Amino acid sequence: GENVEQHPSTLSVQEGDSAVIKCTYSDSASNYFPWYKQELGKRPQLIIDIRSNVGEKKDQRIAVTLNKTAKHFSLHITETQPEDSAVYFCAGYSSASKIIFGSGTRLSIRP
Amino acid sequence: DGGITQSPKYLFRKEGQNVTLSCEQNLNHDAMYWYRQDPGQGLRLIYYSQIVNDFQKGDIAEGYSVSREKKESFPLTVTSAQKNPTAFYLCASSKGDSYEQYFGPGTRLTVT
Repeated sequence: GENVEQHPSTLSVQEGDSAVIKCTYSDSASNYFPWYKQELGKRPQLIIDIRSNVGEKKDQRIAVTLNKTAKHFSLHITETQPEDSAVYFCAGYSSASKIIFGSGTRLSIRP
Repeated sequence: DGGITQSPKYLFRKEGQNVTLSCEQNLNHDAMYWYRQDPGQGLRLIYYSQIVNDFQKGDIAEGYSVSREKKESFPLTVTSAQKNPTAFYLCASSKGDSYEQYFGPGTRLTVT
């Protein structure tokens, strides 16, 4: 079946450095790619999303890039801060396979 | 965080019993979803509903059942046929399929 693979599963970066999380998808009909952040003990919340007609989207320190040819998309967090520590999930949506989530990346920010 | 609620927060059941998890939303969203979250794994889709009185199976529907009699409510029943029911269950809603999903606080189910 269709799937979304996410790497790495854990990531530790120094405060102030950048963090990059990558996802690949198999369903070429996928057209919507959200990223969710889940802090410990809390519900997932959308932080940024991108649709297939756009190659890049930025929101302050967060950016997402999409390469439809290679079927992969990435989350970039710059100038990381302690409150960025959380589990991040990517997802891909198509009308056929519906929404499929990646397995998550646990991001830790070292002081 | 308001708008979508789940109850209870923690639920304990004996093996062989059916249990129903509640999910209610007041966001006027058409679409609702149920996910299961296990440690080290992503969110796996159990069932989803795009409109009242209609729902479809997700990737791991076996052992679960749902109903969608009202737009606001999408209860999930974990039946005794579910072989490994202990997990964290998340409900979500959205105004449509390819839109932001709003998640409830989750129900942690433990079956012994």
